[in-house]
Amino acid sequence: NAGVTQTPKFRILKIGQSMTLQCAQDMNHNYMYWYRQDPGMGLKLIYYSVGAGITDKGEVPNGYNVSRSTTEDFPLRLELAAPSQTSVYFCASSYSPGNVDTEAFFGQGTRLTVV
Amino acid sequence: DQQVKQNSPSLSVQEGRISILNCDYTNSMFDYFLWYKKYPAEGPTFLISISSIKDKNEDGRFTVFLNKSAKHLSLHIVPSQPGDSAVYFCAASGTSGTYKYIFGTGTRLKVLA
Repeated sequence: NAGVTQTPKFRILKIGQSMTLQCAQDMNHNYMYWYRQDPGMGLKLIYYSVGAGITDKGEVPNGYNVSRSTTEDFPLRLELAAPSQTSVYFCASSYSPGNVDTEAFFGQGTRLTVV
Repeated sequence: DQQVKQNSPSLSVQEGRISILNCDYTNSMFDYFLWYKKYPAEGPTFLISISSIKDKNEDGRFTVFLNKSAKHLSLHIVPSQPGDSAVYFCAASGTSGTYKYIFGTGTRLKVLA
């Protein structure tokens, strides 16, 4: 049982390049999330998904895209990387937060630098 | 608009004493609250939670208090240990309509030996 797995762990991108951050979970969670953590800014929600085929914007979606074709996978796509997207990205999953005593489980994070 | 706020970016406490971390929220639709702990280069890990139908939840050295009228919650760690040194995030969610976790900015706790 690996939990939430993110790849890669580190990446350096040049301005204008594209990349996909991978996230997979093996807990059969229906909800999945992408957050970014900037210094002193906490965790900001980028996108989330309530199940395969359903995604929605979070607090800071601009510059990103997501898809959810399976329950297990929730990739995050950066199309035209900008320095403002330098951050640490965390993927998380949970059962429906509508159920009490449900918490989100996080991956180890991807540290992205755009130069 | 910061819906979940942690106004103290850092806190230092002597080993064995009590650590109190505070969190405020603005959205009255939130009715489930969580605390996460994060070490450097790791993902956040769940610590303790509380539902809005309670005003206190305890788990070993960790207790979370909720004051709904003030839209305020706090995490108490007693006694504090050096291994508790980490960044603590408060998060909130709703059980009707707000199906996502919104996090605060975090408080860095340093427990001094």
